[in-house]
Amino acid sequence: QKEVEQNSGPLSVPEGAIASLNCTYSDRGSQSFFWYRQYSGKSPELIMSIYSNGDKEDGRFTAQLNKASQYVSLLIRDSQPSDSATYLCAVLVGGANSKLTFGKGITLSVRP
Amino acid sequence: GAVVSQHPSWVICKSGTSVKIECRSLDFQATTMFWYRQFPKQSLMLMATSNEGSKATYEQGVEKDKFLINHASLTLSTLTVTSAHPEDSSFYICSDSGIVNEQYFGPGTRLTVT
Repeated sequence: QKEVEQNSGPLSVPEGAIASLNCTYSDRGSQSFFWYRQYSGKSPELIMSIYSNGDKEDGRFTAQLNKASQYVSLLIRDSQPSDSATYLCAVLVGGANSKLTFGKGITLSVRP
Repeated sequence: GAVVSQHPSWVICKSGTSVKIECRSLDFQATTMFWYRQFPKQSLMLMATSNEGSKATYEQGVEKDKFLINHASLTLSTLTVTSAHPEDSSFYICSDSGIVNEQYFGPGTRLTVT
């Protein structure tokens, strides 16, 4: 089982809709979870971090964490064409020598 | 978040030559920085952890003699790709260790080896 898994995608939603991106992880000891956005040809940009169970909202973005089920999700409300990008889920794994492990990413396309 | 710069943003080199990539943490004293590599249509893969004043820690499968990392100061880490080959062509991205484990990435360096 891969350490961090994301839906294969791509995901296409109409402008104004809610985009839901999901991610599961295998290390139950993981404590830190991140969502990065990566535009084509650019480096990843941190958009959300979450450390405790529940929801964390920042503008149009909501991260949700469920440690018991080992999943973390990202909701994008009122999706805009500018949200079209690849979204990478990242989990800090490994305890004392922790490393950021990335999922493969899911490409989101927001149709005008 | 932290601001990280990289130089150069892109480089083309001939097979067999060496290329040095610089990564600077502009507003944070980073004792630890990270080097990643990303091939087209793939996710980021951690290559090594760069530690200020000590040897880098390399991930399994990454040749430490080929990818030389130097972290001589709290704001600068360098990655030198030695004897580059076409299969080393990739997008190299560094990040700093950030606060609360949040990593902020540099803009990346696109390396093309001809």
